Amino acid sequence: KAGVTQTPRYLIKTRGQQVTLSCSPISGHRSVSWYQQTPGQGLQFLFEYFSETQRNKGNFPGRFSGRQFSNSRSEMNVSTLELGDSALYLCASSLSGDRGLSGANVLTFGAGSRLTVL
Amino acid sequence: AQSVTQPDIHITVSEGASLELRCNYSYGATPYLFWYVQSPGQGLQLLLKYFSGDTLVQGIKGFEAEFKRSQSSFNLRKPSVHWSDAAEYFCAVAPHNTNAGKSTFGDGTTLTVKP
Repeated sequence: KAGVTQTPRYLIKTRGQQVTLSCSPISGHRSVSWYQQTPGQGLQFLFEYFSETQRNKGNFPGRFSGRQFSNSRSEMNVSTLELGDSALYLCASSLSGDRGLSGANVLTFGAGSRLTVL
Repeated sequence: AQSVTQPDIHITVSEGASLELRCNYSYGATPYLFWYVQSPGQGLQLLLKYFSGDTLVQGIKGFEAEFKRSQSSFNLRKPSVHWSDAAEYFCAVAPHNTNAGKSTFGDGTTLTVKP
């Protein structure tokens, strides 16, 4: 079955602009999480969506937002871009969060969207 | 709060040699534990996971990891490294009461394989 698809793979923006990244999870996966990866900070959790609701949120400013659609596809948006927002943004999907389902806790990652802010 | 420490930023081994990557975690109870691998320009791929039961878990590509509760460790091992194993490796933890979506990752260990 198809994996996690992220678009676009690469993009360049300038400071002050905004950007929207898209993530299509594996069919049947209802949870979508977003991570920011940078050389200095490593992998940092942004937020997680489940059934169109934000279930968990990391420590990022309000400029970072997301949403999930009824088909589980998710988007994240970064407004008023700063140079420090340059990063690889990774999306991961997983099964529902029902306790006891071990497979529910396994993340499948997309290849990422590489954002460069000039 | 949970945390993960990977003490080795960079490890170099010769092809055919054995490998051990260290991972220590901090968490109030036994978390779910994972090892992921990332090749350049790619996302992360799950190597193996520990949820409960046998503390020695087998993964893909010949990797295994051992959970040691007393040491709060989950070290990754491979008996014979192949050149294709060169990549960055991440240890991660997730609490039992939430989906793994909110996993905490270590800073990663970059593996270089010498011919």
